[in-house]
Parts: sequence; C-alpha cells; structure tokens
Amino acid sequence: SAVISQKPSRDICQRGTSLTIQCQVDSQVTMMFWYRQQPGQSLTLIATANQGSEATYESGFVIDKFPISRPNLTFSTLTVSNMSPEDSSIYLCSAVSGYEQYFGPGTRLTVT
Amino acid sequence: QKEVEQNSGPLSVPEGAIASLNCTYSDRGSQSFFWYRQYSGKSPELIMFIYSNGDKEDGRFTAQLNKASQYVSLLIRDSQPSDSATYLCAAHTGGFKTIFGAGTRLFVKA
Repeated sequence: SAVISQKPSRDICQRGTSLTIQCQVDSQVTMMFWYRQQPGQSLTLIATANQGSEATYESGFVIDKFPISRPNLTFSTLTVSNMSPEDSSIYLCSAVSGYEQYFGPGTRLTVT
Repeated sequence: QKEVEQNSGPLSVPEGAIASLNCTYSDRGSQSFFWYRQYSGKSPELIMFIYSNGDKEDGRFTAQLNKASQYVSLLIRDSQPSDSATYLCAAHTGGFKTIFGAGTRLFVKA
C-alpha cells in the first residue's frame, strides 16, 4: 500500500492569486495523478504527473492554469494559478502502488 | 466517451441487512474494477478490486463482475451504521487511467 500526505489541508485564497499543493508518498510509485472533486460530485482527473517530464492533462485542463511538477518518484506539486471562485474545490493527489490506487487526504480550497 | 454509471441513491438499508450496490461501464476494454468508500469530508478509501468474472469476497464485502453485461456490483453483508458512506465504482482503462462513477450514497439505519 501507499500512504499519501498533502499540504496544505485547506486554504482560503483571494481571487487572482496562486496556490501550490504538495503531495508526498511514503514509497516510490509508478503513477501519480491529480484529481478535483466538487462537493457532492465524483472525481475529475486533472492530469497525470509524469516523473521528469511534462504532465499529461485531461480535456478541459491546461498547463498554464494547473502547472504540475514531479521531480522524483515520491513527490509532486499542483499549482492552481490565477484563481477564481470556480476553482473552489477539493484537490486530491493519487498514486498507484502495485495494482491499487490510493488517495491523499485532499486539499480543500476556497477562493473568495 | 468512456463512462461508469451508478445509481446516486440514497440507498437505505436496515442494520444487519445486505446492501447491494451496482455499477455499469461503457468501455469493453476496461481491465479491472475498483470499489471505494468515501465518508463525508474524507478522501476515497479502496475497499477492493476485481478483474476476473465472478465473485471475490473479502470479509463482509463481495465484489461481482460480469464482463459480458459490463456490470459490477458490491454486496455488503451484515450492514452496519458505520458503512454509511458514498461508494464509488471505478474502471481502469488503458495506461492506469481510472474512470470513476458519481457514487451511490448508502445509509444503514440502526
């Protein structure tokens, strides 16, 4: 299994600013992902964080808005740039270990 | 578009009963299927996965897969109030990409 931690756990940010979320896994993993979950909704995949190369973004998500880094096999960051109230959501880091996918505790972001 | 469909519920069962949660998927190329439990305000927690047709049991949980019908289910025996949560069904497509259903809310009444 994999234990995933995220920082910060929550934040309230002003419109137009940026927030970087950190994700740390307790073991080396092959795949890391970033998801967004609106209240009462399911998970939406933002991107796959690729180690040593640019992330792979899903339709509707772009690098300028959600830059992602993954410098090694255990760590990744997601930045939410130029935030607007529509970016208010829970952002979840996820990792695949073996055959199973695990999730971090999430970062609850509120943009005012 | 690849989709995973679930009844949003809520599904309400009395304590001690069997809760049956169902899911269908559209992509016949999906290889494996996962059930997650998500308590309110928490992140999803993996319960079990299945990739072969038939049943797979783990404690009070049984996952069932029928690839011909593109149907996955999760049975929870002897349901407890602590089982009250949203249950997410997920399908792995190629490249470890996971498609999640919207989830079914389960309420177990004491």
